[in-house]
Amino acid sequence: DAGVIQSPRHEVTEMGQEVTLRCKPISGHDYLFWYRQTMMRGLELLIYFNNNVPIDDSGMPEDRFSAKMPNASFSTLKIQPSEPRDSAVYFCASSFGGLVGEAFFGQGTRLTVV
Amino acid sequence: GIQVEQSPPDLILQEGANSTLRCNFSDSVNNLQWFHQNPWGQLINLFYIPSGTKQNGRLSATTVATERYSLLYISSSQTTDSGVYFCAVMIKAAGNKLTFGGGTRVLVKP
Repeated sequence: DAGVIQSPRHEVTEMGQEVTLRCKPISGHDYLFWYRQTMMRGLELLIYFNNNVPIDDSGMPEDRFSAKMPNASFSTLKIQPSEPRDSAVYFCASSFGGLVGEAFFGQGTRLTVV
Repeated sequence: GIQVEQSPPDLILQEGANSTLRCNFSDSVNNLQWFHQNPWGQLINLFYIPSGTKQNGRLSATTVATERYSLLYISSSQTTDSGVYFCAVMIKAAGNKLTFGGGTRVLVKP
């Protein structure tokens, strides 16, 4: 398997624009996680899905953020409208088995909002 | 909430030296992983180790679940070992959330 695949790798956008980040989990994995990494807050969980269903979105910073998983092989994280403070590296990860599953991370999307 | 504390926060090593990184956590864990974030930002899986001891080449890890800590050993360090090492835990009471520590930043000098 190619691992968790994220796109784009880098994104630069202007404040107020919509941004969509994409993730393809490892085939067969039933959990998908979105994380954000910043210098100030480290790696923080935004939302996770089990079998395509959002389970916990308590880490989503505000209503400007939304995530979907229309099928087992694809998920999106959308920010609308984007703000400079959203600049960060966004990681997607997947695992099999939840509590006992080893999580694997994609290469991340570095988002810069100017 | 879950507390995951890593020490030391920073570590400078001479190539060839050995070191130990520590991860303390506040509750019984179902899952514990060690990652290496390389200078390009990629998170590399090192160990999945909720308990016991594992070894992979020059790296080994031990988790003592009853005492709520895990150790990562780096032996004969190389410059390619530089980067940030993260411990992450999953606790049943908190749901399926992998919670990360603050990391240990390692610099190996030639």
